Amino acid sequence: EDKVVQSPLSLVVHEGDTVTLNCSYEVTNFRSLLWYKQEKKAPTFLFMLTSSGIEKKSGRLSSILDKKELFSILNITATQTGDSAVYLCAVEWGFGNQFYFGTGTSLTVIP
Amino acid sequence: NAGVTQTPKFQVLKTGQSMTLQCAQDMNHEYMSWYRQDPGMGLRLIHYSVGAGITDQGEVPNGYNVSRSTTEDFPLRLLSAAPSQTSVYFCASSPRDGSYEQYFGPGTRLTVT
Repeated sequence: EDKVVQSPLSLVVHEGDTVTLNCSYEVTNFRSLLWYKQEKKAPTFLFMLTSSGIEKKSGRLSSILDKKELFSILNITATQTGDSAVYLCAVEWGFGNQFYFGTGTSLTVIP
Repeated sequence: NAGVTQTPKFQVLKTGQSMTLQCAQDMNHEYMSWYRQDPGMGLRLIHYSVGAGITDQGEVPNGYNVSRSTTEDFPLRLLSAAPSQTSVYFCASSPRDGSYEQYFGPGTRLTVT
């Protein structure tokens, strides 16, 4: 059975800390892995990864995919209270537009 | 550009009633999808479409129908509402250009009593 598992389920850190969020997957016909940020409303896109070992960066956020070990990590450095959100991992599979989502990691950043 | 719009924002139904959740996008995206989000379950794909006239089932299609007569619109119909369909529903669209980035609508919070 295909699955996407995120860990930890929740995390509380202080401003300035660095966090690493994990996403492991077992999905047939893998095409890509995506990360989203959800703040009490619709998810917003962060990264899409298709190739192993190539880091994607956007400001303090970065992500990498390992297609051999079937996982991805999302790093956030120098966390801010505005980073508080649920971070979702999604795996696209099949011939297009089919996604499995993980249950998310809830990140709380306290001042 | 309005992006992806959904109506209504909130809805309360009685068991057995039917209704249609509306979704529209103005970005000329070929791909559109409907998800439901329940606490502790993440987002689950209900139905999706890869173009006008083409729809297919996702993970949890039972109790829902869709159609895609135009590129812009992708309504989701609840045939006979059940309490198990209480959820937040998101519509999403994406271009067919290999990026596969999905743009989500603001969501519809549905309660079935």
